[in-house]
Amino acid sequence: DQQVKQNSPSLSVQEGRISILNCDYTNSMFDYFLWYKKYPAEGPTFLISISSIKDKNEDGRFTVFLNKSAKHLSLHIVPSQPGDSAVYFCAASGSGTYKYIFGTGTRLKVLA
Amino acid sequence: NAGVTQTPKFQVLKTGQSMTLQCAQDMNHEYMSWYRQDPGMGLRLIHYSVGAGITDQGEVPNGYNVSRSTTEDFPLRLLSAAPSQTSVYFCASSQGLAGTGTQYFGPGTRLTVL
Repeated sequence: DQQVKQNSPSLSVQEGRISILNCDYTNSMFDYFLWYKKYPAEGPTFLISISSIKDKNEDGRFTVFLNKSAKHLSLHIVPSQPGDSAVYFCAASGSGTYKYIFGTGTRLKVLA
Repeated sequence: NAGVTQTPKFQVLKTGQSMTLQCAQDMNHEYMSWYRQDPGMGLRLIHYSVGAGITDQGEVPNGYNVSRSTTEDFPLRLLSAAPSQTSVYFCASSQGLAGTGTQYFGPGTRLTVL
């Protein structure tokens, strides 16, 4: 049973426009969420996180929104740049644990 | 700091062979973990460790063994490789509990089992 779901395997966006990547989760015990970015032949790198006590966290061009009632989070990238082209994974965890559950990833392609 | 290092980068095995994937970190992190990445499956947790001498199973532990004799090293052992273990393997480490520290990943090992 997939506890963290990224239903869009791929997304194409024009340079300068907004990219919105979505993630849904089923386990109500999750209270910490992260987004990772992965380039080919490299390990994932941490991008941004959000705790369940917040509904928004912003870091430069990247903003993560959390809707706890819908068990949904999204990553907004504004403006999108060609260097943002990568696979994005969302991950979830429960506080007091070390275990992270990852989604299946969304491949973002930013077109110049 | 080298961060999280993994060796080898690539490996081809025959069914039934054994091997150890190496992982080391120089950040003095307590928590280390192994994931495998397969197409359409995302990253799945194999085993993890919360400190030297302490390991536990993740989502997909069958066919893999781990041990943690030092804080720095967390090797993953395949005792009898099977084609289903063809995957990209990532090691990761973090300082504290979820929500208190970022998880850092190594560059990965691409394993093919024939």
